[in-house]
Amino acid sequence: EDQVTQSPEALRLQEGESSSLNCSYTVSGLRGLFWYRQDPGKGPEFLFTLYSAGEEKEKERLKATLTKKESFLHITAPKPEDSATYLCAVQPSGTYKYIFGTGTRLKVLA
Amino acid sequence: DGGITQSPKYLFRKEGQNVTLSCEQNLNHDAMYWYRQDPGQGLRLIYYSQIVNDFQKGDIAEGYSVSREKKESFPLTVTSAQKNPTAFYLCASSTSTSGRETQYFGPGTRLLVL
Repeated sequence: EDQVTQSPEALRLQEGESSSLNCSYTVSGLRGLFWYRQDPGKGPEFLFTLYSAGEEKEKERLKATLTKKESFLHITAPKPEDSATYLCAVQPSGTYKYIFGTGTRLKVLA
Repeated sequence: DGGITQSPKYLFRKEGQNVTLSCEQNLNHDAMYWYRQDPGQGLRLIYYSQIVNDFQKGDIAEGYSVSREKKESFPLTVTSAQKNPTAFYLCASSTSTSGRETQYFGPGTRLLVL
């Protein structure tokens, strides 16, 4: 069964304290892996799409990487405005469906 | 500005009542989706549509119905058969470029039961 697991469920960081969020997935074939940021009461905001193992994408303080079994979202020197829930989703091969993890709630303290 | 709009932002349903959530996109995307989000759970797919006049059930379609009469519109009806409708509902659309798709979301509608 296709599955996505995110860890940790919640993470508290001091401003400037770098860390990584994990997204482990099990699919028969990967069409794409997606990272989103979601603020409370709002729709998810698209961050990155990764398609193949070894691929990396960067945007400001965020960097996403992909292996054959997992993806990491690295946050370098985070700021309080980076506080949000980060969602990971995969799209298995041969389907138009997306499978979402339950997210990591990140809190960055000033 | 291109994007996805959902209305209303908040919706209240009385017992036994059907309610309809609106979703419109001006991104010229072919595919549209409806998800339900509950606290502590991942997004769960209700319905999706790849083209006009065609749609498929997702994982939790019972108690919901949709239509896709226009490319830019994909309304969701929450029927009285849905016994636990209180949730945050998200509409999304996606484009396909060279077989690679990215899904974008609207701002959401929060449905509450009176």
